[in-house]
Amino acid sequence: AQKVTQAQTEISVVEKEDVTLDCVYETRDTTYYLFWYKQPPSGELVFLIRRNSFDEQNEISGRYSWNFQKSTSSFNFTITASQVVDSAVYFCALSENNDKLIFGTGTRLQVFP
Amino acid sequence: EAQVTQNPRYLITVTGKKLTVTCSQNMNHEYMSWYRQDPGLGLRQIYYSMNVEVTDKGDVPEGYKVSRKEKRNFPLILESPSPNQTSLYFCASSLARGLYNSPLHFGNGTRLTVT
Repeated sequence: AQKVTQAQTEISVVEKEDVTLDCVYETRDTTYYLFWYKQPPSGELVFLIRRNSFDEQNEISGRYSWNFQKSTSSFNFTITASQVVDSAVYFCALSENNDKLIFGTGTRLQVFP
Repeated sequence: EAQVTQNPRYLITVTGKKLTVTCSQNMNHEYMSWYRQDPGLGLRQIYYSMNVEVTDKGDVPEGYKVSRKEKRNFPLILESPSPNQTSLYFCASSLARGLYNSPLHFGNGTRLTVT
Protein backbone atom coordinates (compact mmCIF):
# COMPACT_ATOMS: atom_id res chain seq x y z
CA ALA A 1 0.00 0.00 0.00
CA GLN A 2 1.11 3.54 -0.62
CA LYS A 3 2.23 5.65 2.32
CA VAL A 4 4.12 8.86 2.98
CA THR A 5 5.99 9.41 6.22
CA GLN A 6 7.18 12.75 7.48
CA ALA A 7 8.78 11.81 10.76
CA GLN A 8 9.60 15.39 11.78
CA THR A 9 6.48 16.87 13.33
CA GLU A 10 8.01 20.25 14.04
CA ILE A 11 11.36 21.90 13.36
CA SER A 12 12.58 25.21 14.74
CA VAL A 13 15.55 27.08 13.31
CA VAL A 14 17.00 30.53 13.45
CA GLU A 15 17.05 32.67 10.34
CA LYS A 16 19.85 31.91 7.86
CA GLU A 17 20.20 28.33 9.03
CA ASP A 18 19.81 25.54 6.49
CA VAL A 19 17.07 23.05 7.21
CA THR A 20 16.10 19.71 5.65
CA LEU A 21 12.62 18.28 5.75
CA ASP A 22 12.51 14.53 5.40
CA CYS A 23 10.02 12.53 3.36
CA VAL A 24 9.97 8.74 3.02
CA TYR A 25 7.44 7.02 0.82
CA GLU A 26 6.19 3.52 0.17
CA THR A 27 4.80 2.29 -3.11
CA ARG A 28 4.70 -0.90 -5.13
CA ASP A 29 4.36 0.91 -8.44
CA THR A 30 7.29 1.70 -10.67
CA THR A 31 5.53 4.78 -12.02
CA TYR A 32 4.61 7.44 -9.52
CA TYR A 33 4.91 11.13 -8.77
CA LEU A 34 6.11 12.91 -5.66
CA PHE A 35 5.11 16.39 -4.60
CA TRP A 36 5.84 19.02 -2.00
CA TYR A 37 3.28 21.57 -0.89
CA LYS A 38 3.63 24.52 1.46
CA GLN A 39 0.86 25.65 3.81
CA PRO A 40 1.64 29.08 5.27
CA PRO A 41 -0.19 30.38 8.34
CA SER A 42 -2.88 31.84 6.08
CA GLY A 43 -3.94 28.27 5.34
CA GLU A 44 -3.78 27.86 1.57
CA LEU A 45 -1.79 25.06 -0.05
CA VAL A 46 0.94 26.14 -2.40
CA PHE A 47 2.44 23.73 -4.91
CA LEU A 48 6.24 23.65 -4.78
CA ILE A 49 7.47 20.78 -6.91
CA ARG A 50 6.51 17.59 -8.71
CA ARG A 51 8.97 14.84 -9.53
CA ASN A 52 8.31 11.60 -11.45
CA SER A 53 9.79 8.27 -10.50
CA PHE A 54 12.01 8.11 -13.56
CA ASP A 55 13.81 11.34 -12.89
CA GLU A 56 16.25 11.13 -9.99
CA GLN A 57 18.02 14.35 -10.75
CA ASN A 58 18.15 16.71 -7.85
CA GLU A 59 16.46 20.03 -8.39
CA ILE A 60 17.29 23.50 -7.16
CA SER A 61 15.02 26.51 -7.24
CA GLY A 62 16.52 29.51 -5.54
CA ARG A 63 16.96 28.65 -1.87
CA TYR A 64 14.96 25.44 -2.27
CA SER A 65 16.42 22.11 -3.31
CA TRP A 66 15.09 18.59 -3.48
CA ASN A 67 16.96 15.31 -3.18
CA PHE A 68 15.17 12.31 -4.67
CA GLN A 69 16.71 8.92 -3.91
CA LYS A 70 14.83 5.85 -5.06
CA SER A 71 17.28 3.56 -3.28
CA THR A 72 16.07 4.88 0.07
CA SER A 73 12.55 5.87 -1.08
CA SER A 74 13.16 9.40 0.05
CA PHE A 75 12.35 12.82 -1.35
CA ASN A 76 13.88 15.33 1.01
CA PHE A 77 13.48 19.08 0.84
CA THR A 78 16.19 21.53 1.88
CA ILE A 79 15.81 25.24 2.47
CA THR A 80 19.10 27.10 2.41
CA ALA A 81 19.54 30.27 4.43
CA SER A 82 16.03 30.04 5.87
CA GLN A 83 13.90 33.13 6.30
CA VAL A 84 10.99 33.95 8.58
CA VAL A 85 8.67 33.80 5.54
CA ASP A 86 9.55 30.12 5.18
CA SER A 87 7.59 29.40 8.37
CA ALA A 88 4.81 27.06 7.33
CA VAL A 89 3.64 23.49 7.35
CA TYR A 90 5.19 21.49 4.54
CA PHE A 91 3.53 18.43 3.09
CA CYS A 92 5.09 15.71 1.02
CA ALA A 93 2.70 13.70 -1.16
CA LEU A 94 2.68 10.69 -3.47
CA SER A 95 0.51 9.98 -6.50
CA GLU A 96 0.51 6.33 -7.43
CA ASN A 97 -2.66 5.58 -9.35
CA ASN A 98 -3.16 8.92 -11.02
CA ASP A 99 -6.34 9.88 -9.21
CA LYS A 100 -5.33 11.06 -5.77
CA LEU A 101 -2.51 12.35 -3.67
CA ILE A 102 -1.45 10.52 -0.56
CA PHE A 103 -0.20 13.12 1.87
CA GLY A 104 2.19 12.83 4.75
CA THR A 105 1.18 14.31 8.07
CA GLY A 106 3.24 17.42 7.47
CA THR A 107 6.23 19.11 9.11
CA ARG A 108 5.74 22.44 10.82
CA LEU A 109 8.76 24.66 10.24
CA GLN A 110 9.26 27.68 12.45
CA VAL A 111 11.97 30.12 11.50
CA PHE A 112 12.85 32.62 14.22
CA PRO A 113 14.50 35.96 13.53
CA GLU B 1 -6.73 35.15 -12.41
CA ALA B 2 -6.64 31.37 -12.48
CA GLN B 3 -8.02 30.03 -9.24
CA VAL B 4 -10.08 27.56 -7.31
CA THR B 5 -12.76 29.28 -5.25
CA GLN B 6 -14.42 27.73 -2.24
CA ASN B 7 -17.28 29.17 -0.24
CA PRO B 8 -17.76 29.79 2.56
CA ARG B 9 -14.34 30.17 4.19
CA TYR B 10 -15.77 29.54 7.64
CA LEU B 11 -18.94 27.70 8.60
CA ILE B 12 -20.39 26.81 11.97
CA THR B 13 -23.42 24.57 11.99
CA VAL B 14 -25.33 22.13 14.16
CA THR B 15 -25.57 18.38 13.94
CA GLY B 16 -27.98 17.19 11.28
CA LYS B 17 -28.43 20.44 9.38
CA LYS B 18 -27.67 19.87 5.71
CA LEU B 19 -25.00 22.06 4.20
CA THR B 20 -23.16 22.54 0.92
CA VAL B 21 -19.66 23.84 0.38
CA THR B 22 -19.25 25.18 -3.11
CA CYS B 23 -16.16 24.86 -5.27
CA SER B 24 -15.57 26.47 -8.61
CA GLN B 25 -12.52 26.64 -10.87
CA ASN B 26 -11.96 28.92 -13.85
CA MET B 27 -9.13 26.99 -15.49
CA ASN B 28 -11.21 24.52 -17.51
CA HIS B 29 -9.72 21.69 -15.47
CA GLU B 30 -11.11 18.21 -15.96
CA TYR B 31 -10.07 16.75 -12.62
CA MET B 32 -11.46 17.99 -9.30
CA SER B 33 -11.22 16.62 -5.81
CA TRP B 34 -12.12 17.24 -2.17
CA TYR B 35 -9.79 16.71 0.76
CA ARG B 36 -10.14 17.14 4.47
CA GLN B 37 -7.27 18.13 6.71
CA ASP B 38 -7.11 17.02 10.32
CA PRO B 39 -4.30 17.48 12.87
CA GLY B 40 -1.87 14.59 12.83
CA LEU B 41 -3.54 13.01 9.79
CA GLY B 42 -2.50 15.30 6.97
CA LEU B 43 -4.92 15.58 4.06
CA ARG B 44 -7.19 12.75 3.05
CA GLN B 45 -9.19 12.50 -0.13
CA ILE B 46 -12.98 12.46 0.20
CA TYR B 47 -14.19 12.30 -3.41
CA TYR B 48 -12.81 13.04 -6.82
CA SER B 49 -14.08 13.59 -10.33
CA MET B 50 -12.27 12.85 -13.57
CA ASN B 51 -14.84 14.68 -15.68
CA VAL B 52 -18.44 15.88 -15.85
CA GLU B 53 -20.89 13.34 -14.42
CA VAL B 54 -18.00 11.09 -13.29
CA THR B 55 -17.32 10.92 -9.55
CA ASP B 56 -15.55 8.37 -7.38
CA LYS B 57 -14.97 7.78 -3.71
CA GLY B 58 -11.68 8.63 -2.11
CA ASP B 59 -10.39 7.35 1.19
CA VAL B 60 -12.96 8.90 3.53
CA PRO B 61 -16.26 9.31 1.63
CA GLU B 62 -18.67 8.36 4.44
CA GLY B 63 -21.09 11.15 5.26
CA TYR B 64 -20.36 13.15 2.11
CA LYS B 65 -21.87 13.54 -1.34
CA VAL B 66 -20.64 15.34 -4.41
CA SER B 67 -21.89 16.15 -7.87
CA ARG B 68 -20.26 17.25 -11.11
CA LYS B 69 -22.94 18.58 -13.40
CA GLU B 70 -20.70 21.23 -14.90
CA LYS B 71 -17.00 21.17 -15.52
CA ARG B 72 -16.26 24.18 -13.36
CA ASN B 73 -18.26 23.27 -10.23
CA PHE B 74 -17.81 20.47 -7.73
CA PRO B 75 -19.91 21.04 -4.59
CA LEU B 76 -19.44 19.02 -1.42
CA ILE B 77 -22.67 18.12 0.35
CA LEU B 78 -23.08 17.02 3.94
CA GLU B 79 -26.62 15.70 4.23
CA SER B 80 -26.52 15.25 8.00
CA PRO B 81 -23.33 16.70 9.45
CA SER B 82 -21.87 15.27 12.62
CA PRO B 83 -19.20 16.62 14.98
CA ASN B 84 -16.58 14.23 13.57
CA GLN B 85 -16.87 16.12 10.29
CA THR B 86 -15.44 19.22 11.92
CA SER B 87 -12.37 19.81 9.79
CA LEU B 88 -10.60 22.00 7.26
CA TYR B 89 -11.78 21.18 3.75
CA PHE B 90 -9.94 21.79 0.51
CA CYS B 91 -11.17 21.64 -3.02
CA ALA B 92 -8.57 21.08 -5.72
CA SER B 93 -8.40 20.83 -9.49
CA SER B 94 -5.95 19.64 -12.09
CA LEU B 95 -5.69 20.23 -15.81
CA ALA B 96 -5.68 16.70 -17.12
CA ARG B 97 -7.63 13.59 -16.26
CA GLY B 98 -5.26 12.62 -13.51
CA LEU B 99 -2.28 13.91 -11.63
CA TYR B 100 0.55 12.65 -13.79
CA ASN B 101 0.23 15.51 -16.19
CA SER B 102 -0.26 18.47 -13.92
CA PRO B 103 -0.22 19.29 -10.22
CA LEU B 104 -3.24 19.93 -8.05
CA HIS B 105 -4.28 23.53 -7.51
CA PHE B 106 -6.01 24.06 -4.20
CA GLY B 107 -8.67 26.46 -3.03
CA ASN B 108 -8.17 28.49 0.13
CA GLY B 109 -10.01 26.06 2.34
CA THR B 110 -13.27 25.95 4.30
CA ARG B 111 -13.11 25.57 8.04
CA LEU B 112 -16.22 23.71 9.16
CA THR B 113 -17.31 23.33 12.75
CA VAL B 114 -20.23 21.05 13.59
CA THR B 115 -21.59 21.40 17.12
